[in-house]
Amino acid sequence: GAGVSQSPSNKVTEKGKDVELRCDPISGHTALYWYRQSLGQGLEFLIYFQGNSAPDKSGLPSDRFSAERTGGSVSTLTIQRTQQEDSAVYLCASSLANRGTDTQYFGPGTRLTVL
Amino acid sequence: DQQVKQNSPSLSVQEGRISILNCDYTNSMFDYFLWYKKYPAEGPTFLISISSIKDKNEDGRFTVFLNKSAKHLSLHIVPSQPGDSAVYFCAASGTGGSYIPTFGRGTSLIVHP
Repeated sequence: GAGVSQSPSNKVTEKGKDVELRCDPISGHTALYWYRQSLGQGLEFLIYFQGNSAPDKSGLPSDRFSAERTGGSVSTLTIQRTQQEDSAVYLCASSLANRGTDTQYFGPGTRLTVL
Repeated sequence: DQQVKQNSPSLSVQEGRISILNCDYTNSMFDYFLWYKKYPAEGPTFLISISSIKDKNEDGRFTVFLNKSAKHLSLHIVPSQPGDSAVYFCAASGTGGSYIPTFGRGTSLIVHP
C-alpha cells in the first residue's frame, strides 16, 4: 500500500554499536515525526521535520541521537553508541502538513533491542 | 511532568456493552485532541478527534466528549466489539503553533465475547 513504511522491523544490537533506522513517509507529506515507545510508556516525541525548515530536535534525549531527512522524503534516525535504555519501539509518522488538524499516519515501527 | 494522562492502564468490557476511556490534560494551550488505536506490532491509527470549540464529536460507534473546564476528555465505544480490543492513546496539541501532539501512555482495552 501507500502507507508509511519503516525498516528494519526488528533490530538487535550490542551495547556501544551504532544503529540506523529508516522511515519512508507517505508521498506528498511534508511533515515527518519520530517517536519512541518504551515498555509501559506513551509515545515520546523525538524530532520533527517540516518541509525545508530546520528540524525541531527538542525531543532528542541525548547527542547520541540524530536524524536526517533527505530530499524532503526518506528519513534516517541514527543512534550512536547504543545503550540498553535505548531499547524501545521507534515509530515514524507523516502528515500532509502541520496545520494543527492534519492527521498523523504512523508506520509499523522498528523494535530496537540493545543487549 | 505528564501533560496528557491516561490513568487507567487497562479496561475490560463485555461485548455489546459501553467502553469508556478517560484522558486528562494539564496544558491549557491544548485546543485539539485526538484518539489513536494501536494493535500489536502495528503503528497507531487515527480514530477520532475533537476541537476545543466543540464538546462532542461522534463517528459511528465512537464518540469523544470534551470537558474543557475539567481538562478532561473521554472516548465512548458503543456497542463494544471484540475487534475493538487494542491500546488506545489520547493525544493533545496546541494548533496555534507547531503541531506536535503530546501522547498519553495508553489504555489497553479488552472486549470479551
